[in-house]
Amino acid sequence: GAGVSQSPSNKVTEKGKDVELRCDPISGHTALYWYRQRLGQGLEFLIYFQGNSAPDKSGLPSDRFSAERTGESVSTLTIQRTQQEDSAVYLCASSSTQATEAFFGQGTRLTVV
Amino acid sequence: KQEVTQIPAALSVPEGENLVLNCSFTDSAIYNLQWFRQDPGKGLTSLLLIQSSQREQTSGRLNASLDKSSGRSTLYIAASQPGDSATYLCAVKRAAGNKLTFGGGTRVLVKP
Repeated sequence: GAGVSQSPSNKVTEKGKDVELRCDPISGHTALYWYRQRLGQGLEFLIYFQGNSAPDKSGLPSDRFSAERTGESVSTLTIQRTQQEDSAVYLCASSSTQATEAFFGQGTRLTVV
Repeated sequence: KQEVTQIPAALSVPEGENLVLNCSFTDSAIYNLQWFRQDPGKGLTSLLLIQSSQREQTSGRLNASLDKSSGRSTLYIAASQPGDSATYLCAVKRAAGNKLTFGGGTRVLVKP
């Protein structure tokens, strides 16, 4: 595709439910990043995938959060037993190698009610 | 641990004035630095990428400089326009296979 695509663009869920957020990187991009941005706050790193290397999961805030990526394709971020503090915009980015320019998607706005 | 700071947090200028946005980082051993803009409710748009071996990058009215030894980068926007109103973020990558560490951003308002 032309850019990084994220779905859904908006998600409202009830507290305690599980949600899955999807990121389609630019074709051929080996590096993929997930970030979280709470209202009025900066970007908070969650997880980084680079090719077939072990992902950097150091930013995941709790064991309720997990992410998967198969090869250089789609990534899914899963949040189990959602809490109100999980409400945020979840942003995904990709780059063609680990060292080049990163391009972001439009984000998924998650609201936990 | 790398920390990235952007000062000021907000800036308001009249149209036509040049903008100077600052980014500082605590660990000078960076691989590259990237500037982004974010419009309200939107994702991030990449503006410029500076590799650690470079001193500056230019794109149209935008010019970004990098001084690794002092841990600073500056984004200059010439002849500002109301359409330049947005939040500007800088991000550094410590090594090739690492995450991007972001500053808190500078919110810019260009008044007509």
